[in-house]
Amino acid sequence: AQTVTQSQPEMSVQEAETVTLSCTYDTSESDYYLFWYKQPPSRQMILVIRQEAYKQQNATENRFSVNFQKAAKSFSLKISDSQLGDAAMYFCAYRSGETSGSRLTFGEGTQLTVNP
Amino acid sequence: DAMVIQNPRYQVTQFGKPVTLSCSQTLNHNVMYWYQQKSSQAPKLLFHYYDKDFNNEADTPDNFQSRRPNTSFCFLDIRSPGLGDAAMYLCATSTGFFGANEQFFGPGTRLTVL
Repeated sequence: AQTVTQSQPEMSVQEAETVTLSCTYDTSESDYYLFWYKQPPSRQMILVIRQEAYKQQNATENRFSVNFQKAAKSFSLKISDSQLGDAAMYFCAYRSGETSGSRLTFGEGTQLTVNP
Repeated sequence: DAMVIQNPRYQVTQFGKPVTLSCSQTLNHNVMYWYQQKSSQAPKLLFHYYDKDFNNEADTPDNFQSRRPNTSFCFLDIRSPGLGDAAMYLCATSTGFFGANEQFFGPGTRLTVL
C-alpha cells in the first residue's frame, strides 16, 4: 500500500516570504499522480497543484510550484510571496495510475501560518 | 457558480439517534465521495459512488450508509451515532475515479454527538 508522509505538522512564514512544505511518499509504482490540496479554516478544500509522475517538468501555478524528485519520492510545495490568504492546512495526496479506480491517499497535513 | 453544497453545515445529534447529512452538486460529475475528517487529521474515505455504482471502503463501519437517488444528490446516513463519530464530514465530486482528476469538495458538515 502506498503511504504519504508530511513531516512538518506546522510551519510559519512571514508575509511576502517563501516557504516550502515537504512531502514524501512510498510506492512501488511508476505511474501515479500527486496533488497538493489546501483547506482554509472553515472553508472547503481546494486543489492547489498536481503533478503527473511521467512528467519531468515541475508543475507551476502562479505563486505555487512543486519540486518533484521521483527517485527520492519527494514532492515538496513552494509558496512564493506568501499572502495572508495562504494560511491553511495543506495536504499532500497520492493516486495510483496503475490501479483502475484508485483512491486518493492523503498525508497528515501541514498547518501553515502566515504572519503579517 | 457550479459547486458542491452540503447541508446542514452544523449538525447536533444525540448518541444513538439516526442522522442524515446531505450533499448536492451542480457540476454534473459522475463520482461522489464521502469523507470523514477528525480534528487535525487527513480526510478518510468512507465510500464513493460512480454513477449508481456504490463502493464501500473495507474499513467503513456498518453504521454508515449512503444513498444516491440521482446524479445531483448523495446522502450519508449514520444509523446509530456514537461519540467517536463526531467529526467533519466532507462530500466531494469528480468527473472520474482515476488519474489526475481533481476532486471538488463541499464545505463540510460538522457533526456533534451528545
